Amino acid sequence: AQKVTQAQTEISVVEKEDVTLDCVYETRDTTYYLFWYKQPPSGELVFLIRRNSFDEQNEISGRYSWNFQKSTSSFNFTITASQVVDSAVYFCALLTNAGKSTFGDGTTLTVKP
Amino acid sequence: DTEVTQTPKHLVMGMTNKKSLKCEQHMGHRAMYWYKQKAKKPPELMFVYSYEKLSINESVPSRFSPECPNSSLLNLHLHALQPEDSALYLCASSQDILAGRNEQFFGPGTRLTVL
Repeated sequence: AQKVTQAQTEISVVEKEDVTLDCVYETRDTTYYLFWYKQPPSGELVFLIRRNSFDEQNEISGRYSWNFQKSTSSFNFTITASQVVDSAVYFCALLTNAGKSTFGDGTTLTVKP
Repeated sequence: DTEVTQTPKHLVMGMTNKKSLKCEQHMGHRAMYWYKQKAKKPPELMFVYSYEKLSINESVPSRFSPECPNSSLLNLHLHALQPEDSALYLCASSQDILAGRNEQFFGPGTRLTVL
């Protein structure tokens, strides 16, 4: 069975603060992909990053960075110098072969001016 | 063209109505997906089509009937729905269902209200 846990239901920060969103996953598959998606109030799921199970390199993209640690089954997401436009629900998801996806419950991030 | 389109954006229907949701992609993807998302919840996988064949049906009630007429189109036929079926219905596509090729691109969704 697959499971994705996003322990933080809601986070509120003030603009320019750094914020880290946690994601812990469980799977018996050895080949899998982890994703982060952003869902603004408009509803569309916006792809942010994909990481495969064999690539533990951290990644930075502008103000976004991701820390994948297979030893702790975690794939955390950090936003540096947060902005009001970052306010959204963020989902961590796990995909294995055959297209079966499992999403975490999401973390609602509110960035206040 | 790197997007998934869904029509209609909003749909209100009665419990006795029959309606259909449509999804289209022109990225040459051979896997397409339907998800249901209730408010403040994550998307839940409903169906997966791979090369126009139904690959996964996550025990969805028969009042939801998917159809994949060709590799670019995915429909979801709705009949005799219940008010609890009101949700955002998301369509997604990917190159394939196999790991490494199953990065999913999502459409904007259809917000369905059942009265």
